[in-house]
Amino acid sequence: DAGVIQSPRHEVTEMGQEVTLRCKPISGHDYLFWYRQTMMRGLELLIYFNNNVPIDDSGMPEDRFSAKMPNASFSTLKIQPSEPRDSAVYFCASSFGGEVSPLHFGNGTRLTVT
Amino acid sequence: LAKTTQPISMDSYEGQEVNITCSHNNIATNDYITWYQQFPSQGPRFIIQGYKTKVTNEVASLFIPADRKSSTLSLPRVSLSDTAVYYCLVGDISAGRRALTFGSGTRLQVQP
Repeated sequence: DAGVIQSPRHEVTEMGQEVTLRCKPISGHDYLFWYRQTMMRGLELLIYFNNNVPIDDSGMPEDRFSAKMPNASFSTLKIQPSEPRDSAVYFCASSFGGEVSPLHFGNGTRLTVT
Repeated sequence: LAKTTQPISMDSYEGQEVNITCSHNNIATNDYITWYQQFPSQGPRFIIQGYKTKVTNEVASLFIPADRKSSTLSLPRVSLSDTAVYYCLVGDISAGRRALTFGSGTRLQVQP
């Protein structure tokens, strides 16, 4: 299995621009998670989906952030407009929703907003 | 909220056994305990999971006392490549956000 695939690996953009991060979960997994990691705040859960439906988006920082999961094999996290404080590593993870199923993380997208 | 508490950092030398303890006083009856490892520039990686007593796999062992208010991740004979941050999480997906929240983790530094 290829694992969770995220793209791009690195993204550098200017303040005010729109940023779209992409994620392909492991085939057959029915949960998908978006996390953000910074030195100051550690790993933060932004939002997660079950069967393509958002379950908990209480971690989304503000209205500038949005996430979609149009089908079981693809999800996007969009920031519009981006700000320097959004600079972080964004991780996508997926899981099969059994009781003891762990999270499988991608290698992340390092976002730098200048 | 089943909060977890771990030491912020630990130091060890190659070949030693390392034990990292996680406190989770408010663990619920149905909660599992899961440990992850994170290397720089990578996402966390699942290491081991357990409910009670002892679990062992090719990478680590997990010891859970009868009251389940803590757990200990044991790494036998560590090497330099075990230098990483280790996180413990309590619960499962059905518990929602509380089971999906990573704490600060334990930063393990292995020296030659």
